[in-house]
Amino acid sequence: QVQLVQSGPELKKPGASVKVSCKASGYTFTTYGIHWVRQAPGQGLEWMGWINTDTGNPTYAQGYTGRFVFSLDTSVSTAYLQISSLKAEDTAVYYCARSGLALDYWGQGTLVTVSS
Amino acid sequence: DIQMTQSPSTLSASVGDRVTITCRASQSISSWLAWYQQKPGKAPKLLIYKASSLESGVPSRFSGSGSGTQFTLTISSLQPDDFATYFCQQYDSFSWTFGQGTKVEVK
Repeated sequence: QVQLVQSGPELKKPGASVKVSCKASGYTFTTYGIHWVRQAPGQGLEWMGWINTDTGNPTYAQGYTGRFVFSLDTSVSTAYLQISSLKAEDTAVYYCARSGLALDYWGQGTLVTVSS
Repeated sequence: DIQMTQSPSTLSASVGDRVTITCRASQSISSWLAWYQQKPGKAPKLLIYKASSLESGVPSRFSGSGSGTQFTLTISSLQPDDFATYFCQQYDSFSWTFGQGTKVEVK
């Protein structure tokens, strides 16, 4: 069955970097794009962008350029989200999701907490 | 970017009620609209794609309609498991966007 399994929660200090992983299984990884969605505490969903798992080409939403990097390791069917120069306002749950029929499978989410 | 506006933000309802949530796009998105359900502490779950297509395994009490700029999600008879937050999302443009969410709570 299709599964997206994300890495565990992270506690980081302001200015640090974090890398969240999203490991896919149950399907051919390069057939479907991987999207990233952010949800700040008590807030709604915000689309961050996506990465074409066939070409490796990333697309970033407005507001997610510069400090945010999407990458892949297709040999292990894993997508990554790296955030640098972390700020307190980056505290959120980050989800990866597969783009089949819309976003049809989601990871369980990774809580990134940025606090001094 | 295309803006998605959901209404209402909160909806109080009882088990058995018919519930309708509306989503409006700032420009036409054809039928490229999805609906998701999210429960506290959980990832969103796809309910409806392409405005009116029911995702596999989703109960038939959920339905979607609309095209262009106006869309609705209807729950024909609200069940205890349906108390949750619902989000619409457009995937027509280069940049996807979500609505702000509608929380369905117990009346």
